[in-house]
Amino acid sequence: DTGVSQDPRHKITKRGQNVTFRCDPISEHNRLYWYRQTLGQGPEFLTYFQNEAQLEKSRLLSDRFSAERPKGSFSTLEIQRTEQGDSAMYLCASEVGMVVTEAFFGQGTRLTVV
Amino acid sequence: DAKTTQPNSMESNEEEPVHLPCNHSTISGTDYIHWYRQLPSQGPEYVIHGLTSNVNNRMASLAIAEDRKSSTLILHRATLRDAAVYYCILRDLLYNTDKLIFGTGTRLQVFP
Repeated sequence: DTGVSQDPRHKITKRGQNVTFRCDPISEHNRLYWYRQTLGQGPEFLTYFQNEAQLEKSRLLSDRFSAERPKGSFSTLEIQRTEQGDSAMYLCASEVGMVVTEAFFGQGTRLTVV
Repeated sequence: DAKTTQPNSMESNEEEPVHLPCNHSTISGTDYIHWYRQLPSQGPEYVIHGLTSNVNNRMASLAIAEDRKSSTLILHRATLRDAAVYYCILRDLLYNTDKLIFGTGTRLQVFP
């Protein structure tokens, strides 16, 4: 257990439905990252928060994706009008806030769009 | 983003040392070299990082070439639990919002 919690661990949804994932980072960590990982690939960066501010979004993140981190604590990632191509593992990571440190990853949420 | 090159896969026998190479010929002076690994069905976990000098911790050692264009992650005695995908990543000290950019890594198989 790394201390980063993700919920749910698994989600099966029908194409066109909206889904929301939650990430609870380690409490004193002010940076929070979302990644997406498909089979055989390394994690792809999606977006990043420092406290409550969303500082960067990947070009991979279409307008169907939105992420929030109210009050700089937990974060949510919402996917609207899901497509089969959204099927992947969604990973959350947090770190203290200095670059020379380690990021802690959750176990991920596996999304299957049918 | 600075790039790294790693072999797709490597094999080892249990209790033998493993040397995982990484090339980063375009590394800048402020890039730190980080290693993460991902066990099956888990999120990535931090292994080690360094800037110029070799580094040791309880998990592994990191040997950094003098010109910093390559590095090697050393597992001193591989165990079955070390079977994972190992990622070599550069992070820039100047941009302290710099995110981790993962490649495809090296898949390490460990045989009993």
